[in-house]
Amino acid sequence: QKEVEQDPGPLSVPEGAIVSLNCTYSNSAFQYFMWYRQYSRKGPELLMYTYSSGNKEDGRFTAQVDKSSKYISLFIRDSQPSDSATYLCALTSGSARQLTFGSGTQLTVLP
Amino acid sequence: DGGITQSPKYLFRKEGQNVTLSCEQNLNHDAMYWYRQDPGQGLRLIYYSQIVNDFQKGDIAEGYSVSREKKESFPLTVTSAQKNPTAFYLCASKGQGGTEAFFGQGTRLTVV
Repeated sequence: QKEVEQDPGPLSVPEGAIVSLNCTYSNSAFQYFMWYRQYSRKGPELLMYTYSSGNKEDGRFTAQVDKSSKYISLFIRDSQPSDSATYLCALTSGSARQLTFGSGTQLTVLP
Repeated sequence: DGGITQSPKYLFRKEGQNVTLSCEQNLNHDAMYWYRQDPGQGLRLIYYSQIVNDFQKGDIAEGYSVSREKKESFPLTVTSAQKNPTAFYLCASKGQGGTEAFFGQGTRLTVV
């Protein structure tokens, strides 16, 4: 069993839709949770970073963490074609540890 | 501008040759990482270094080598022992006490 599971998609939605991207994990030591966005042929860029359970909002993006269920989500409201990318969740147990990545979900927002 | 620079962007290698991928950062980060990305497999850790002159194997280190002689630089050599080297290679760095990693733009290596 992988430490982090992420549905690879591909996921296709119409412009304006609400998008839900999810990861589950098995290691309860993970305490820090990140979402990266990766455009085609580019390096990943940090989108959201959370530590505690609950919600964190940044513009159209909301990151949600449920440590009791070992489940993290990224919601995108009013999705735009420019949101079309691969979204990777990344988890770590502490600052000294390397990140463990999900396999990424490929999202396409259709105009 | 602070950031991580990977070069070259595209690299072609003949079978049996060693090639070295460059990664330089001016973020004053202590930790640096090399990942390999294949379609549908996410990022897999090759090597990482927490301080100068020290580095550790990641999950898929076989066929690769690294050095960390300077804080700013963490080059990756893909040796002829790597059986399937065609992939997208990503370098990342992280500051002391930081949790999130920052990535370069990647090098796409193709064996011809």
